[in-house]
Amino acid sequence: AQSVTQLGSHVSVSEGALVLLRCNYSSSVPPYLFWYVQYPNQGLQLLLKYTSAATLVKGINGFEAEFKKSETSFHLTKPSAHMSDAAEYFCAVRGVSSGSARQLTFGSGTQLTVLP
Amino acid sequence: GAGVSQSPRYKVAKRGQDVALRCDPISGHVSLFWYQQALGQGPEFLTYFQNEAQLDKSGLPSDRFFAERPEGSVSTLKIQRTQQEDSAVYLCASSTPILTSGGTGELFFGEGSRLTVL
Repeated sequence: AQSVTQLGSHVSVSEGALVLLRCNYSSSVPPYLFWYVQYPNQGLQLLLKYTSAATLVKGINGFEAEFKKSETSFHLTKPSAHMSDAAEYFCAVRGVSSGSARQLTFGSGTQLTVLP
Repeated sequence: GAGVSQSPRYKVAKRGQDVALRCDPISGHVSLFWYQQALGQGPEFLTYFQNEAQLDKSGLPSDRFFAERPEGSVSTLKIQRTQQEDSAVYLCASSTPILTSGGTGELFFGEGSRLTVL
């Protein structure tokens, strides 16, 4: 069964600083990996996804993530934080082989705070 | 519609009442998922439909939870005899089949139905 672990339930950065949110996955075969963002009282919005094409994936709002099979990681980064980036971020994994579960499995989330 | 639509957005129920939450997926999406998100937690999988067939209900926490999608489009999540621990946001998502041409694996989420059980 696939799973993801997000290290750090809360991350604070200063405006303009690098954002790094960590995600490690567990899967017997390379899965599909996703980062979603959730603003208060809203649903989840897709930031970016890895689907076995390029290992460096660029998403919306200047975010990107790199799939590293050797480290089983899919960390989310943004070079310069903006106040509007403050939100909850979820890493998720989805199995793609026959017989694997079809649902997304989410990590516990990382709350990003951006300080002025 | 353009996106996944859920109703009601907010529901307050007294303990013991039955509730029904509705999800209208993106037109043409055959896969539909229900998730439960407790306060401060990530979404937890409840159940999955492909068209009208409920292929996985392993995440439903008890037999008080029931989901249906009779015509392969709109889905309803029903919770009978609600308990305080049922208080959560219930998220619905839809997608195209993952292994078909053009399938990206992405789930599109609605804004959720927030249930508060008093």
